[in-house]
Amino acid sequence: DTGVSQNPRHKITKRGQNVTFRCDPISEHNRLYWYRQTLGQGPEFLTYFQNEAQLEKSRLLSDRFSAERPKGSFSTLEIQRTEQGDSAMYLCASSLSGGGYSPLHFGNGTRLTVT
Amino acid sequence: EDQVTQSPEALRLQEGESSSLNCSYTVSGLRGLFWYRQDPGKGPEFLFTLYSAGEEKEKERLKATLTKKESFLHITAPKPEDSATYLCAVHNYGQNFVFGPGTRLSVLP
Repeated sequence: DTGVSQNPRHKITKRGQNVTFRCDPISEHNRLYWYRQTLGQGPEFLTYFQNEAQLEKSRLLSDRFSAERPKGSFSTLEIQRTEQGDSAMYLCASSLSGGGYSPLHFGNGTRLTVT
Repeated sequence: EDQVTQSPEALRLQEGESSSLNCSYTVSGLRGLFWYRQDPGKGPEFLFTLYSAGEEKEKERLKATLTKKESFLHITAPKPEDSATYLCAVHNYGQNFVFGPGTRLSVLP
């Protein structure tokens, strides 16, 4: 178990640019989640995948955000035409589906700063 | 809509001074309540899962309890290394996890 890996750890971009983040989940986990966290707040749900299928997206998620999980392995989160309000920590988590209620296991996040 | 609130927002304790953190929730159908610890600049680290009212879980100086409306995280004789933000989350009958805003705990030597 090597844990959830996220890259890059930090990203600074100018407003209007596109950015892409990558998440590599724990290998045997079939569910993958993206959350966003701002300072002093708890993680806010963005979207989740079971295998390669994107099963739920937050109603608050702008059309500028898109996520993929090709072949049910790693996932990418792209933000187009970034805005200053997109500055946050983007967290990826993975879990096992099945009969039990498996907790989320988080990576250490990608911190995005939009200038 | 599922909601999670946590209190207090911040808590400062002297080393050895026991206390409790509160997590109150409203959820359409509870599949599990989860406690996480988060250190600055890191992702949340899983601590406990609680499934039903009356259940308790313990780990070192931490003990989590669950009722139908709230959960408590009791910290006994805390040490400075227990300083962190403690997050509570509920897992509903969709597949989403809803997090509270967290309690920032500082334990002073």
